[in-house]
Amino acid sequence: QMQLQESGPGLVKASETLSLTCTVSSGSINGHFWAWIRQPPGKGLEWIGRVYTSGSTNYRPSLKSRIAISIDPSNNQFSLKLSSVTAADTAVYYCARDSNWDYFDYWGQGMLVTVSS
Amino acid sequence: QSALTQPPSASGSPGQSVTISCTGTSSDVGDYNYVSWYQQHPGKAPKLIIFEVSKRPSGVPDRFSGSKSGNTASLTVSGLQAEDEADYYCCSYARSNTYVFGSGTKVTVL
Repeated sequence: QMQLQESGPGLVKASETLSLTCTVSSGSINGHFWAWIRQPPGKGLEWIGRVYTSGSTNYRPSLKSRIAISIDPSNNQFSLKLSSVTAADTAVYYCARDSNWDYFDYWGQGMLVTVSS
Repeated sequence: QSALTQPPSASGSPGQSVTISCTGTSSDVGDYNYVSWYQQHPGKAPKLIIFEVSKRPSGVPDRFSGSKSGNTASLTVSGLQAEDEADYYCCSYARSNTYVFGSGTKVTVL
């Protein structure tokens, strides 16, 4: 059973860059799309963006100017960088496997990132 | 990019059925059969329960079913059980290569 695990700082200062990594285990990162999804406390899910094994990406239009998603197949990892964060970026961040514009079938447990002022 | 519209809450007694709607537009739900549904228990990651409008992943009980008409997709949970109490989210592929999630529905088993 494929497993995903998010890691990174749980506290980021406003105006700085949020950086998270997702490590994929019990399966290969190759040949798949990988996504980042977030959920502000008490609110719904929001798709952030995705990356393919080749490094090609798609981003949420409203976040596009602040996002960078990259992939490191040699380490079975992919990463999210979100710059110029504000309190509105406080959320649980999930990584997930994306079945190519269809559904998300494997999810990480989620990681709460709090933006402090 | 607005979220798909779901009712905030739904409820039913054990053994009954509950149906949750998910309303989008002709740019997402109405134009693509890439609607999926997720179940989320408190403090847990979402779990895929329906994909491509009405298909169930292996291991998901057939009490869960999905359908679509026009710009509205629906999830029905039949024979409600206590463990079905959770938040449910729909999701659709949207034009211009994005995903859009629903606003979420809290299902309560009375």
